[in-house]
Amino acid sequence: EDQVTQSPEALRLQEGESSSLNCSYTVSGLRGLFWYRQDPGKGPEFLFTLYSAGEEKEKERLKATLTKKESFLHITAPKPEDSATYLCAVQGLLDGTSYGKLTFGQGTILTVHP
Amino acid sequence: KAGVTQTPRYLIKTRGQQVTLSCSPISGHRSVSWYQQTPGQGLQFLFEYFSETQRNKGNFPGRFSGRQFSNSRSEMNVSTLELGDSALYLCASSLAGHRNSPLHFGNGTRLTVT
Repeated sequence: EDQVTQSPEALRLQEGESSSLNCSYTVSGLRGLFWYRQDPGKGPEFLFTLYSAGEEKEKERLKATLTKKESFLHITAPKPEDSATYLCAVQGLLDGTSYGKLTFGQGTILTVHP
Repeated sequence: KAGVTQTPRYLIKTRGQQVTLSCSPISGHRSVSWYQQTPGQGLQFLFEYFSETQRNKGNFPGRFSGRQFSNSRSEMNVSTLELGDSALYLCASSLAGHRNSPLHFGNGTRLTVT
């Protein structure tokens, strides 16, 4: 069974204080690892997909990296508008032609103070 | 391009009743997946539909069912509601079978069972 564990559960930063969120996973063949951002009262918003160890992707102040056992979401010089819950999810190869099933972690609640 | 649309946004039902939730995917997306989100369990996969057929199913009781129409719109039904069914129900759509097409989520239907 696929499993995803995110840490820390909550993270409070000052504006401009860079940090990283961790996502550890176990999966029977990784098809893809996904990062989403979720604001209160809204659905998750897609950020990145990573497919293989060593891959990196960037978007504004966010950078996602992937190893064979974990992924990191690095936040550089965060701003208050980066405050949200960040969710990590994996999709395994055993799901065959089904691309709709993701296994999610519990998320990291990020708060950035001005 | 319009995003994933879910209706209604809020629902209050009584234990024992049944409920139907609706989802309109992004235009051109043929795969629709449903998720349940609760504070304790996080995001959990319910089922995925593609071309009016259920392609994958999560570990939920048979009271949870769904269907997809020829225009890719989807509905999910929960019968004999229990208090524990109170949750945010999220619908997501994607280009089926396309590796680089992640899931795009709607803003959900908040179901409260009293």
